[in-house]
Amino acid sequence: KQEVTQIPAALSVPEGENLVLNCSFTDSAIYNLQWFRQDPGKGLTSLLLIQSSQREQTSGRLNASLDKSSGRSTLYIAASQPGDSATYLCAVDTNAGKSTFGDGTTLTVKP
Amino acid sequence: GAVVSQHPSRVICKSGTSVKIECRSLDFQATTMFWYRQFPKKSLMLMATSNEGSKATYEQGVEKDKFLINHASLTLSTLTVTSAHPEDSSFYICSAALKVAYNEQFFGPGTRLTVL
Repeated sequence: KQEVTQIPAALSVPEGENLVLNCSFTDSAIYNLQWFRQDPGKGLTSLLLIQSSQREQTSGRLNASLDKSSGRSTLYIAASQPGDSATYLCAVDTNAGKSTFGDGTTLTVKP
Repeated sequence: GAVVSQHPSRVICKSGTSVKIECRSLDFQATTMFWYRQFPKKSLMLMATSNEGSKATYEQGVEKDKFLINHASLTLSTLTVTSAHPEDSSFYICSAALKVAYNEQFFGPGTRLTVL
């Protein structure tokens, strides 16, 4: 059974800092790994999707890496802004759409 | 990317009533849709896999008679919470996978259900 762990559970940083969010998973047989953002009371916003054959994906200030063999992914956020404050979820797809989610990292970026 | 919609976005109902939530893939066909539930301050948990034209597959611990799923077409799946109780209050999110060449699923915006 796939298990997904996200560390840290919460993170508070001053504006402008670069930061890294971590996601680990127990079963390396995955289709893809996806990072989402969720604002309070809202749905999911897809940030980056990494296919199992890929090592990383970049979008703007975000960069996500994937190391299947070690069961790890990181989400790097450069030059953080208060608008980046949200909960970031990592989801691992192990069976053509059946995703296992981590509990998320709640990020607060202070002005 | 492909768009998935959910309706309603928010619903409040009385205990004992049934509530239907729709999940639609707007610009693609999806043979498979997934229903997730999110408890407050918790992550999403897969409830069931909805297959077009066949019965849904429920995850362990999910009552199939409580959460009725119908996937009548390639663009629509519905989740009906029957005889809702306050403990059914939650955020329900669906996702849809492309009919061919699966490589990712697309998530809907979610439905907030509050049972009084």
